Amino acid sequence: GESVGLHLPTLSVQEGDNSIINCAYSNSASDYFIWYKQESGKGPQFIIDIRSNMDKRQGQRVTVLLNKTVKHLSLQIAATQPGDSAVYFCAEITSYDKVIFGPGTSLSVIP
Amino acid sequence: GAGVSQSPSNKVTEKGKDVELRCDPISGHTALYWYRQSLGQGLEFLIYFQGNSAPDKSGLPSDRFSAERTGGSVSTLTIQRTQQEDSAVYLCASSLVSPGQMAQYFGPGTRLLVL
Repeated sequence: GESVGLHLPTLSVQEGDNSIINCAYSNSASDYFIWYKQESGKGPQFIIDIRSNMDKRQGQRVTVLLNKTVKHLSLQIAATQPGDSAVYFCAEITSYDKVIFGPGTSLSVIP
Repeated sequence: GAGVSQSPSNKVTEKGKDVELRCDPISGHTALYWYRQSLGQGLEFLIYFQGNSAPDKSGLPSDRFSAERTGGSVSTLTIQRTQQEDSAVYLCASSLVSPGQMAQYFGPGTRLLVL
């Protein structure tokens, strides 16, 4: 079936370095994509979103890139900080409002 | 309140008992979702309410699970005759309009432990 998946389940990054978390999706009908951050013991929190008519969107220290040709989504975190340690989920929303979450990537920031 | 709230925050029950989990979405949000998350796992969709439309129940794992949303606001997820495999964090999310138009906002979850 259609799914959203991540290339790496875990990622360790040195503090101050940039982090890149990847996500692959298979539903070409999806037109809205979201990244969530989930800290231990909390619900997922919205980070940034992007629509299919865009290929890049920037927020505060975060950038999301969308490559529709290869159905790939990435989240880039600049100057990674210890507080960025969490599990990151990508989600795709299809044209009929179906929300599909990826399995998540655990990001660990090494001080 | 300012965000999605859920109660109880933790629930311990015995196998075979029924439990009710409550979700208070952000005021005015028409869309409401329930998800289940096992330890260290991703989010498993359970059910979706949108306005007055019939809910999408396609994610409910068995007929022991049911949910309702009264008055288009508060939602209750009920698990009857709980089993140990029901132990998980149950997350509720809401959004102002349809999920295709804006992101969902999640509550802190209810941690259910079935002994």
